[in-house]
Amino acid sequence: GAGVSQSPSNKVTEKGKDVELRCDPISGHTALYWYRQSLGQGLEFLIYFQGNSAPDKSGLPSDRFSAERTGGSVSTLTIQRTQQEDSAVYLCASSWDISYEQYFGPGTRLTVT
Amino acid sequence: DQQVKQNSPSLSVQEGRISILNCDYTNSMFDYFLWYKKYPAEGPTFLISISSIKDKNEDGRFTVFLNKSAKHLSLHIVPSQPGDSAVYFCAASARSSNTDKLIFGTGTRLQVFP
Repeated sequence: GAGVSQSPSNKVTEKGKDVELRCDPISGHTALYWYRQSLGQGLEFLIYFQGNSAPDKSGLPSDRFSAERTGGSVSTLTIQRTQQEDSAVYLCASSWDISYEQYFGPGTRLTVT
Repeated sequence: DQQVKQNSPSLSVQEGRISILNCDYTNSMFDYFLWYKKYPAEGPTFLISISSIKDKNEDGRFTVFLNKSAKHLSLHIVPSQPGDSAVYFCAASARSSNTDKLIFGTGTRLQVFP
């Protein structure tokens, strides 16, 4: 079946603008995760959603970052008033359940100029 | 506190030789361990996993070893091929309690040269 998809694949934005990144998880997966990887760095956990539970937002770096998951499926990560340090690859993953292997999308490369 | 650690940021190995990537963890509740491979401009892909009831799992050229007493796991690739050049992440979870997500290490960049 289809894997995790993300859009757009690349996004260039000016500092101060808002951006929205989209993730379509694998159908039937109850858990959805957002990570980012800055140049030369590891995976930085941002937020995850598990079923109907309140999301774990413990990794969000500032209140400019938010995410929602509508209908238990598609998720949108929003970054308000983007800064240059937000430039990174934003990765989405989903899993059948919370502690199971995660399947990643191809990522969205965000460049803030 | 980082619960999953990959202390070697990079590793360089000659083609045909063995690559050994290491990972340490601190949480004794972890009972499920995975390795992911990541190429540039792609998302990480699941490579191999091991449950804590085993100490070894093999899949072709890839073998993962788990030493629970030392809280250490390693990924062996033999023979190494240039196409194995990528960043490798280990990850762990307490799957039996199913209460939390995978915890990832910081990754090791493997370069296999001819």
